[in-house]
Amino acid sequence: DAKTTQPPSMDCAEGRAANLPCNHSTISGNEYVYWYRQIHSQGPQYIIHGLKNNETNEMASLIITEDRKSSTLILPHATLRDTAVYYCIASTDSWGKLQFGAGTQVVVTP
Amino acid sequence: NAGVTQTPKFQVLKTGQSMTLQCAQDMNHNSMYWYRQDPGMGLRLIYYSASEGTTDKGEVPNGYNVSRLNKREFSLRLESAAPSQTSVYFCASSPSSIFTGELFFGEGSRLTVL
Repeated sequence: DAKTTQPPSMDCAEGRAANLPCNHSTISGNEYVYWYRQIHSQGPQYIIHGLKNNETNEMASLIITEDRKSSTLILPHATLRDTAVYYCIASTDSWGKLQFGAGTQVVVTP
Repeated sequence: NAGVTQTPKFQVLKTGQSMTLQCAQDMNHNSMYWYRQDPGMGLRLIYYSASEGTTDKGEVPNGYNVSRLNKREFSLRLESAAPSQTSVYFCASSPSSIFTGELFFGEGSRLTVL
């Protein structure tokens, strides 16, 4: 699976969009990009995943560049409850064996 | 619908003691997983079970054994606990034996080995 690189921390103002970057420059053609988040002391929570096309659900949008070497998770209107560690994972694994790195600590401030 | 339930939530052991962490899911999922998370780090896969009756090693299986008791339950056993196994343990499940993107995690079991 491709290595992903995320900034260790980010701050975001409540009500504003949070744009979380992820670099995966060695990603292969059949690797999906997954995003999970972990609110303090809780189990991780699935957010979204995609292969090539941009994806949107009720939680977030995932924008993948055309060359697939990077992606951005967008939380459209950040709330205090979005304060969490966000993990970007690139994987081809069909068994769900995801490798979680250190992630980005996002702090949403009033 | 409780989702993924882990017991116990907290446990303190002495070096050399044994214990079993229990995990049960009520979502009729096929696949189940055990991860550990050390302070300030991401999660590492210990073992997984793609379906009832099968188990496979993950990234860090040494010192652990697992049992997929039935479709609902997946237990993790520490035969002789060591301080290096102090961690938070998360159980997860996913609907299909072929991964479709979403893992459902429990709330974690916090283990301290003295």
